[in-house]
Amino acid sequence: EDKVVQSPLSLVVHEGDTVTLNCSYEVTNFRSLLWYKQEKKAPTFLFMLTSSGIEKKSGRLSSILDKKELFSILNITATQTGDSAVYLCAVANAGGTSYGKLTFGQGTILTVHP
Amino acid sequence: NAGVTQTPKFQVLKTGQSMTLQCAQDMNHNSMYWYRQDPGMGLRLIYYSASEGTTDKGEVPNGYNVSRLNKREFSLRLESAAPSQTSVYFCASSERQGESALAKNIQYFGAGTRLSVL
Repeated sequence: EDKVVQSPLSLVVHEGDTVTLNCSYEVTNFRSLLWYKQEKKAPTFLFMLTSSGIEKKSGRLSSILDKKELFSILNITATQTGDSAVYLCAVANAGGTSYGKLTFGQGTILTVHP
Repeated sequence: NAGVTQTPKFQVLKTGQSMTLQCAQDMNHNSMYWYRQDPGMGLRLIYYSASEGTTDKGEVPNGYNVSRLNKREFSLRLESAAPSQTSVYFCASSERQGESALAKNIQYFGAGTRLSVL
């Protein structure tokens, strides 16, 4: 059974701080790892990572994957109150009938105070 | 530019009542999914449909049924609601024909249905 564990479960910081969110996984046939941001409603896609060591960046957010150690990190620099959200990590399985399915972690609740 | 549309947004049921949650996507996606989200447990897959005409169980299918009505629509039915089904339900879709294999893993979500069963 595929498994994704995120840490910490919640985090409270002040504007301007840098945060690192962690995601470790076990999957039978790894295809990709995805990060989503969930504010009030629908999760929205941030990044997809497939290869080790390649950093994906979008403004103040960046993410990297370590396929050997089976984890990923999401960094947010110079945090803003608008970064307050639940950050979800998910892995995609490439095998057989599991193709295309995502297994999600519990999420990390990030709160950024002014 | 609707994406994935879910109805209703909120619903309160009594134990034993039935209801159907509706989901429609306008992105011409082949695959559709139903998840539930409970505090501290992330998103858990209930059922999915890899293509029109097929459905399959996910991690937590008990107490639910689904129908893939056509390529656009995928409904979730609770035949006899129980308090344990109180949750937020999300529909998602993915995989447009001609996309790269990796792009097919990106799922797009609806705004969710908040369901309370008393």
